[in-house]
Amino acid sequence: DARVTQTPRHKVTEMGQEVTMRCQPILGHNTVFWYRQTMMQGLELLAYFRNRAPLDDSGMPKDRFSAEMPDATLATLKIQPSEPRDSAVYFCASGQGGSTDTQYFGPGTRLTVL
Amino acid sequence: QKEVEQNSGPLSVPEGAIASLNCTYSDRGSQSFFWYRQYSGKSPELIMFIYSNGDKEDGRFTAQLNKASQYVSLLIRDSQPSDSATYLCAVNGGFKTIFGAGTRLFVKA
Repeated sequence: DARVTQTPRHKVTEMGQEVTMRCQPILGHNTVFWYRQTMMQGLELLAYFRNRAPLDDSGMPKDRFSAEMPDATLATLKIQPSEPRDSAVYFCASGQGGSTDTQYFGPGTRLTVL
Repeated sequence: QKEVEQNSGPLSVPEGAIASLNCTYSDRGSQSFFWYRQYSGKSPELIMFIYSNGDKEDGRFTAQLNKASQYVSLLIRDSQPSDSATYLCAVNGGFKTIFGAGTRLFVKA
C-alpha cells in the first residue's frame, strides 16, 4: 500500500531553533508539494517540485523557509529560525503531475513553536 | 476575492439526507476539479475529481461541474455520521492546484 510518509509526526521546539521536516513521496510520483494548514488560513501551498526541480515557492517566507529535494525519495522543508507563528500542521503531498494531477497527502507534521 | 471559495459551514444534515456542498472559483481557465475529505486531525484524502461539465457519480457521491457559472458541487446521498468531516474543493488551472478553505459537514444520527 503506497503512501506518503512524513517525519517527525510531532515537533515542539522553542522560538529561534531550526526545524527540519522530511517527506518521502510515493515511488514513481514526480511532483511533490508542501502545504501548511492552520485554522485561520486553511491549506496554503508553500512549495511545489516537479522532477525534483522547484516550480513554485511563492507561498513560502523566503527569509526563514527553504525547501529542497536532495533526491527523488526525499523532500525537506526547513525553518530557520522558527517563530511561534509557524505553529501549524505541515503536509507533504505527491502526485504524477499534469493538470489532472491527484495529490496524495502524507499524515502531516504538527509543529508547535513556543 | 479568493480564488476558490466555499461556505465554511458547519452544514448540518440528518442521517439519510442529501448533503450539498458548493464551491466557486475565479480562474475561468481552470481545467481540473477535485473534492477532498479531511477528518479532524487527519490529512486530506481524495473523494472525486471531475474535468468535464455535467455530473459524475461514484457510489453515494456525485460531483457536478458548471464551467460557465464557475462552480462545482458535491452531493452526498444517504448521508452517514461517518461522512462528518471537512470537505475541501480544489481547482487546477494547469499549473498548480488551489484549495478552498473547506466546508465542515456534520451528519446527525
